[in-house]
Amino acid sequence: QLRLQESGPGLVKPSETVSLTCTVSGGSIRSTSYYWGWIRQPPGKGLEWIGNIYYNGNTYYNPSLESRVTISIDTSRSQFSLKLRSETVADTAVYFCAALQGTTVTFHHWGQGALVTVSS
Amino acid sequence: ETLLTQSPVTLSVSPGDRATLSCRARPSISHNLAWYQQKPGQAPRLLIFGASTRATGIPARFSGSGSGTEFTLTISSLQSEDFAIYYCQQYNTWPLTFGGGTKVEIK
Repeated sequence: QLRLQESGPGLVKPSETVSLTCTVSGGSIRSTSYYWGWIRQPPGKGLEWIGNIYYNGNTYYNPSLESRVTISIDTSRSQFSLKLRSETVADTAVYFCAALQGTTVTFHHWGQGALVTVSS
Repeated sequence: ETLLTQSPVTLSVSPGDRATLSCRARPSISHNLAWYQQKPGQAPRLLIFGASTRATGIPARFSGSGSGTEFTLTISSLQSEDFAIYYCQQYNTWPLTFGGGTKVEIK
């Protein structure tokens, strides 16, 4: 069973960068069966897809965030990472990492989520 | 971008009753729809993909139907652990999008 765990700072100032890492265990990050993705959820609100990365480094981003987002992968560490240049407190959210099943592009495995607060 | 509209926003149901949740897509997304359940403080859990295929370990009381623009998630007999928020998600086109959610609460 795949397990994913987010890690990173919980407090960021506006105009700084949200940096999170997701560590994958219980399976190979080099698997061709999965994309590795990030989703966020502002407090009390719905889910927003941020982007995905494949084991070979190919990325897919939400156009609404693309200008501020970079997702990268380090297969030697079984980790993938999110960098989001924060603009306002509106970037405050729980950030989830997830494994997307490759053929259906659905989120089959999730991390527990990491709350990132953007505040001065 | 594909828009998903879920209704109702809140559904009040008694334990043991049937719950029917709707997700409407614009434009059409064929069968490329998934449903998730989210409880407070937890990550979402995949219930259904391909509009009607239950994910591993999901009880048979959860069923999905529909295609094109109209989709339904039915919970045949609500158990206490089913009171939660439910989201639909389309994967027919990029970007991936989610509906706004339906909260199923105890009546």
